[in-house]
Amino acid sequence: AQKITQTQPGMFVQEKEAVTLDCTYDTSDPSYGLFWYKQPSSGEMIFLIYQGSYDQQNATEGRYSLNFQKARKSANLVISASQLGDSAMYFCAMRGAGTSYGKLTFGQGTILTVHP
Amino acid sequence: GAGVSQSPSNKVTEKGKDVELRCDPISGHTALYWYRQSLGQGLEFLIYFQGNSAPDKSGLPSDRFSAERTGGSVSTLTIQRTQQEDSAVYLCASSLTSGLANEQFFGPGTRLTVL
Repeated sequence: AQKITQTQPGMFVQEKEAVTLDCTYDTSDPSYGLFWYKQPSSGEMIFLIYQGSYDQQNATEGRYSLNFQKARKSANLVISASQLGDSAMYFCAMRGAGTSYGKLTFGQGTILTVHP
Repeated sequence: GAGVSQSPSNKVTEKGKDVELRCDPISGHTALYWYRQSLGQGLEFLIYFQGNSAPDKSGLPSDRFSAERTGGSVSTLTIQRTQQEDSAVYLCASSLTSGLANEQFFGPGTRLTVL
């Protein structure tokens, strides 16, 4: 079984500052992928960033980076230079290479609010 | 290019009625996924298709739920004898293949309300 835990129901950040959203996971699959999605109030799910379990380097996509610590089973999302448009719900998710291959397992989400 | 589309965007039905939710994936995407999102349960996986086959139906909550995919494209999620606990946003996603690293592109969802 796979489990994703996001312990921060809500986070606040000042515009232009960096913010870290926490995510820990548990899986018995030796190979897996970790994803972050953004869900604005409009409801659409927007893919942000991916990290493979065997990737040697942390993933980066523009202002988004993933702080992957495999031994600690954590995959925190770092957003640099926050913008007002970053205010949204953020979901951490994972897929395993085992019996639950196809599906994404999601965490409960973190609501990020960016203040001007 | 067009993204994943879902119809209807909103559906209000009475308890006990059947409903059909439709998903049009991105053209060329072989994998298709259904999830549902509700306040109490968060985002839950329902079923996944690779082509027209469903290797994983483990998330379907009861035998009132079924889904099919035809022509490797459009998928329909059917809920029979709807119950109030079926009220949720039903999200469809597709990916180029079912490869581990392939991101899933989500549609706008169908908001189902069972009265």
